[in-house]
Amino acid sequence: DAKTTQPPSMDCAEGRAANLPCNHSTISGNEYVYWYRQIHSQGPQYIIHGLKNNETNEMASLIITEDRKSSTLILPHATLRDTAVYYCIVKSNTGNQFYFGTGTSLTVIP
Amino acid sequence: EAGVAQSPRYKIIEKRQSVAFWCNPISGHATLYWYQQILGQGPKLLIQFQNNGVVDDSQLPKDRFSAERLKGVDSTLKIQPAKLEDSAVYLCASRAGGGSYNEQFFGPGTRLTVL
Repeated sequence: DAKTTQPPSMDCAEGRAANLPCNHSTISGNEYVYWYRQIHSQGPQYIIHGLKNNETNEMASLIITEDRKSSTLILPHATLRDTAVYYCIVKSNTGNQFYFGTGTSLTVIP
Repeated sequence: EAGVAQSPRYKIIEKRQSVAFWCNPISGHATLYWYQQILGQGPKLLIQFQNNGVVDDSQLPKDRFSAERLKGVDSTLKIQPAKLEDSAVYLCASRAGGGSYNEQFFGPGTRLTVL
């Protein structure tokens, strides 16, 4: 399975856009990029996923580079409730397994 | 829609004791996962069920951990005997099925402390 690399921590001012990068240089052609987040003392929560095209939903936008070796999760207007650990995951193309790394700890500052 | 239920939420035991965790997935979800999350790390997959069959248990320490999903609904994860390094949060997740559009839904987890 492809591995992902994320910065261990980031800060973002409340109301500003939070841009969380992820490298997945060994991703295979049919593997998707998923993003989950985990707020303290809760289970992980799905945010968004994509294959090649950029995706947007009510929570965030996902920008995937043309070569698919990296992606960026964008929270357009970060709030204090967005403080969490964000995991970038490349989904295995067999068995539906998800492999989490250590993620990026995002702190939204008032 | 009810979420993934887990119990107990917290458990404290002494090393060499046994412990069991229970998970009730979202109704109709065929795929069920158990993860172990050690403090400061991301969740690590222990076992995956598709209905009542095991799809992947390659990271399950089978000398002490066991899991079952009778009738393809509820699941239990057991540790016997527990070691200090088993202290972690045990997360259960479920998913409707295969394909790229079915996200995993996680329960709140069971926090295990082994003394």
